[in-house]
Amino acid sequence: EVQLVQSGAEVKKPGESLKISCKGSGYSFTSYWIGWVRQMPGKGLEWMGIIYPGDSDTRYSPSFQGQVTISADKSISTAYLQWSSLKASDTAMYYCARPAWFGEYEYYFDYWGQGTLVTVSS
Amino acid sequence: QSVLTQPPSVSGAPGQRVTISCTGSSSNIGAGYDVHWYQQLPGTAPKLLIYGNSNRPSGVPDRFSGSKSGTSASLAITGLQAEDEADYYCQSYDSSLSGSNVFGTGTKVTVL
Repeated sequence: EVQLVQSGAEVKKPGESLKISCKGSGYSFTSYWIGWVRQMPGKGLEWMGIIYPGDSDTRYSPSFQGQVTISADKSISTAYLQWSSLKASDTAMYYCARPAWFGEYEYYFDYWGQGTLVTVSS
Repeated sequence: QSVLTQPPSVSGAPGQRVTISCTGSSSNIGAGYDVHWYQQLPGTAPKLLIYGNSNRPSGVPDRFSGSKSGTSASLAITGLQAEDEADYYCQSYDSSLSGSNVFGTGTKVTVL
């Protein structure tokens, strides 16, 4: 059974750093991309970026390029989303999800993690 | 601001049929890229509902159906049930946004 299990909720202060995780199991972690999706309180879904753990090829949404870092450790089947200096506007639920590709550019997300709530407040 | 526009809300009585539109442009849906749909029940992660415009993953009831025409796509729910009350999002690829796969603005379905 494919599972994506995310790390627990975080409460941080503005300016602090943070790294949240997403552990994949039930499939070959290095053979599938992993993506991250943001959902701000009461708002919709926003695609942030994706990574291929096999070679760490990473693609970012223009809206998130330079704001976050996506990485992966294939030895422990875990993907990460990282901030170097959090802002209050980073307060959101973050989901990891596995893309299912069906073309050079197109995919949909067939498996999702349970979400990690990040709260940034002074 | 998403490039895929959905109505903020739709509602219907149990047993009725409701449709949700997803309006795009010539750089996404109109360019021939497929549309996918997700259901997000309150307090839970999104779940894939329709992929490739009209395909249902295993386990999704056939009350849910999808279609695409021109620069728009639609999700239809027939025989509306109380458990269908949720947020619904479309998703597609947009060639003008550096390889972004974008989500729609989202639609809240209320069962009256």
